[in-house]
Amino acid sequence: KNQVEQSPQSLIILEGKNCTLQCNYTVSPFSNLRWYKQDTGRGPVSLTIMTFSENTKSNGRYTATLDADTKQSSLHITASQLSDSASYICVVKGGGAGGSYIPTFGRGTSLIVHP
Amino acid sequence: NAGVMQNPRHLVRRRGQEARLRCSPMKGHSHVYWYRQLPEEGLKFMVYLQKENIIDESGMPKERFSAEFPKEGPSILRIQQVVRGDSAAYFCASSPKLAGGSYEQYFGPGTRLTVT
Repeated sequence: KNQVEQSPQSLIILEGKNCTLQCNYTVSPFSNLRWYKQDTGRGPVSLTIMTFSENTKSNGRYTATLDADTKQSSLHITASQLSDSASYICVVKGGGAGGSYIPTFGRGTSLIVHP
Repeated sequence: NAGVMQNPRHLVRRRGQEARLRCSPMKGHSHVYWYRQLPEEGLKFMVYLQKENIIDESGMPKERFSAEFPKEGPSILRIQQVVRGDSAAYFCASSPKLAGGSYEQYFGPGTRLTVT
C-alpha cells in the first residue's frame, strides 16, 4: 500500500530561524515527489517537484532534498518568515507499468513561525 | 489566466439535504480531480474526470456521492442526503493532461461544507 509519512506533525519556530521537515514514502514505482504549501483556508500551492534523478532543488528560501534509495525527502526552510506559517504537504506520485497516476498525500507538517 | 475556481467557498447544509460543489478548471485544462480533506487529515483522492468521462472514481463513497464534468460548464461534485460526517473541505485540482510525468495539479481554494 502506498503511504507517505511526514514528521514532525507540528513545529513552532522563531522568526529568522531555519527548520527541516521530513517525508518518508513507500510509493513504488516512483515517479516524482512534490512539496506543497497550504495556507489556512486555501488550496495547496506547489513549492518544488523532484524526479528520481534529482536529489536537491531550491525555490527561494525553500530547499528540498530527495534520497530515492532510502525513500526519504526533506524540505529545509531558511531564515523563516511569519508568512511561512502554513501546512507543508509531501505528495508522491507513482509511475511506470503498474504505477498509479493518483498521487499519495502526506498529512502535512503544521509550521508556526512566531515573531 | 484565472486559476482553478471553486464555488461556493462555504456551504452549510442540514442533514438530509443535497450539496452541490462546483469547480471550473484553469483555462486549457481538461482534467479535473476532487479531493476531500477532513480536519487534521491529509487530502484524500475521490475522483478523476475528463470532460464527459469519469476516469477513476475509486476514492468516491459508493452511495450518495457523484461527480460529472460536462462538455460545457464546470465540474460538479454532488452529495445527496448529507450527513454530519460529510463535513470537510473539498478541493478541486486541474491539470492540462493525464497526470503522468510531471504535469502539475493546480488546486482551487476549496469548498468548506458544514452539515448541521
